[in-house]
Amino acid sequence: DTGVSQNPRHKITKRGQNVTFRCDPISEHNRLYWYRQTLGQGPEFLTYFQNEAQLEKSRLLSDRFSAERPKGSFSTLEIQRTEQGDSAMYLCASSPTGIKTGNTIYFGEGSWLTVV
Amino acid sequence: AQTVTQSQPEMSVQEAETVTLSCTYDTSESDYYLFWYKQPPSRQMILVIRQEAYKQQNATENRFSVNFQKAAKSFSLKISDSQLGDAAMYFCAYRRPSSGSARQLTFGSGTQLTVLP
Repeated sequence: DTGVSQNPRHKITKRGQNVTFRCDPISEHNRLYWYRQTLGQGPEFLTYFQNEAQLEKSRLLSDRFSAERPKGSFSTLEIQRTEQGDSAMYLCASSPTGIKTGNTIYFGEGSWLTVV
Repeated sequence: AQTVTQSQPEMSVQEAETVTLSCTYDTSESDYYLFWYKQPPSRQMILVIRQEAYKQQNATENRFSVNFQKAAKSFSLKISDSQLGDAAMYFCAYRRPSSGSARQLTFGSGTQLTVLP
């Protein structure tokens, strides 16, 4: 088990361009989360999947943001028409189900986005 | 809505000494989970310790232990025998139980811990 994997790790893009991040969760984890973290702050929840179903979205997830998890495995987070305010680290996390797991959420290393 | 407050933006500790990081939270739930995560400069969020609210016993993981005061809604982290590798940003986080919505973590703003040699 290699943990939650995210790529690219760093992305620099011009304002107005679209970017896509990919997350591969820990195998057999059916829950997947996206968070956004800016410097000096704690992560903020964006959205959550159980298998392929997107069950919850934060108000932070504007219309320019879309997330998918086809087939309930990897997930993508796309940001359209990027703005400088989108510059942040985007964290992916996954968790298993079941009481024995203790509801622990495991994080990836994050994808840094810089919009210039 | 649940909120998590970490009132110490920065803390420092001498190597081999003990330090306590504070966290308070606000919730109307009786059952929930609390976590401490560590985020070193590499930025990966690493789980340090977790506590189930229904358990009265404080969680312990090697040099890390918590002081969970449910009535006071307080969840502090104690690091004993501090090591240079403990230097990181520490986040306190709250999570509702699995049933229902809002299964995500709510994080505090973090405490930057410096370990002095």
